[in-house]
Amino acid sequence: ETGVTQTPRHLVMGMTNKKSLKCEQHLGHNAMYWYKQSAKKPLELMFVYSLEERVENNSVPSRFSPECPNSSHLFLHLHTLQPEDSALYLCASSQDHRALTEAFFGQGTRLTVV
Amino acid sequence: GDSVTQMEGPVTLSEEAFLTINCTYTATGYPSLFWYVQYPGEGLQLLLKATKADDKGSNKGFEATYRKETTSFHLEKGSVQVSDSAVYFCALSDTGRRALTFGSGTRLQVQP
Repeated sequence: ETGVTQTPRHLVMGMTNKKSLKCEQHLGHNAMYWYKQSAKKPLELMFVYSLEERVENNSVPSRFSPECPNSSHLFLHLHTLQPEDSALYLCASSQDHRALTEAFFGQGTRLTVV
Repeated sequence: GDSVTQMEGPVTLSEEAFLTINCTYTATGYPSLFWYVQYPGEGLQLLLKATKADDKGSNKGFEATYRKETTSFHLEKGSVQVSDSAVYFCALSDTGRRALTFGSGTRLQVQP
């Protein structure tokens, strides 16, 4: 399998649940990203990882907890979410977060918080 | 700081019409420029890119030329199809930045 793969594609969770989103890239890239895409809002960058080290955290609430165990895998752990956190969560990777290169995106996880 | 401005949507066209989606940018360095496309229920796919002034990116009949003098990267297609209906995002990657900067997206609807 090639490219960037996200699982699950769809997730419904209650506000007291704990769940995790998974992202895997098979491109040999060193940088990985989490974005949030809400209806009628611009794409929001959440976290940036470079060689498993978090290099950017854009004031994201602590109920979102990222984890990058190696350069191919990225997780987003979710707990005590709010209904306004319902959105499409997109993972992306790029060769190097400092280089002027494109990012490759997964298909996203559609999250609904009830 | 860096920013990307796109025309508001939706843009509604008939099949075989000419498409232009405007994109202008501000950047502190010498950015690379990109167009991404998002089909319903999917993630973003890279459509085309240009890495320096006067470069033309092209793919699937879409084109965009990196115009440094007007800080623009307008997306064009000579004859759109219903299958081109999607949201189009203009983006840039600038030196010293940690991630792409995206525009707000422009929804294109092509009617048969």
